[in-house]
Amino acid sequence: ELKVEQNPLFLSMQEGKNYTIYCNYSTTSDRLYWYRQDPGKSLESLFVLLSNGAVKQEGRLMASLDTKARLSTLHITAAVHDLSATYFCAVGGGSTLGRLYFGRGTQLTVWP
Amino acid sequence: SQTIHQWPATLVQPVGSPLSLECTVEGTSNPNLYWYRQAAGRGLQLLFYSVGIGQISSEVPQNLSASRPQDRQFILSSKKLLLSDSGFYLCAWSLVHGSGNTIYFGEGSWLTVV
Repeated sequence: ELKVEQNPLFLSMQEGKNYTIYCNYSTTSDRLYWYRQDPGKSLESLFVLLSNGAVKQEGRLMASLDTKARLSTLHITAAVHDLSATYFCAVGGGSTLGRLYFGRGTQLTVWP
Repeated sequence: SQTIHQWPATLVQPVGSPLSLECTVEGTSNPNLYWYRQAAGRGLQLLFYSVGIGQISSEVPQNLSASRPQDRQFILSSKKLLLSDSGFYLCAWSLVHGSGNTIYFGEGSWLTVV
């Protein structure tokens, strides 16, 4: 079974600071996803990464994928309070598109 | 545009009672459909997926079952709930190919078994 490890699991950071969340996975995959979840809510899609070296940016978030290292990163630039949420990476397993294996999530808290 | 709805949003059920969660997708045809569960403080785990009417694949052995009676309808059921069935259940859909390989999640259903 495909294993997905995220770290850190908890992240508390000050507004304006930068930080990176890491996502390692155990076997080859052709797709990696990043999601955001606010408390009690569903998942919001942030990024879909499909190829080695893929880099995508949206606002203060940037995601990258290294398929050879089986590693994805989610970089946060100049954090603001609105980014406080739990962030999940998920890796595709098998040919069925939505068959995903999720990490445990990184709970991010941004404080003034 | 495509939309996904699931209900009920919240329910509290006694141990041993039945369960039925329903999910429907609008605005697309022949989607892949999925049921995920999120236990408290954990990531999501895929329970079932379906690539067509009447076609159900189970990912983990459990007390639950799924059915797809219509192309855009996916139902999660149990005959007798266990305490361990408590959690946040999310329905999701995707195309088979294309659309950026995006998977879309419903609003979720909170189940508490007491």
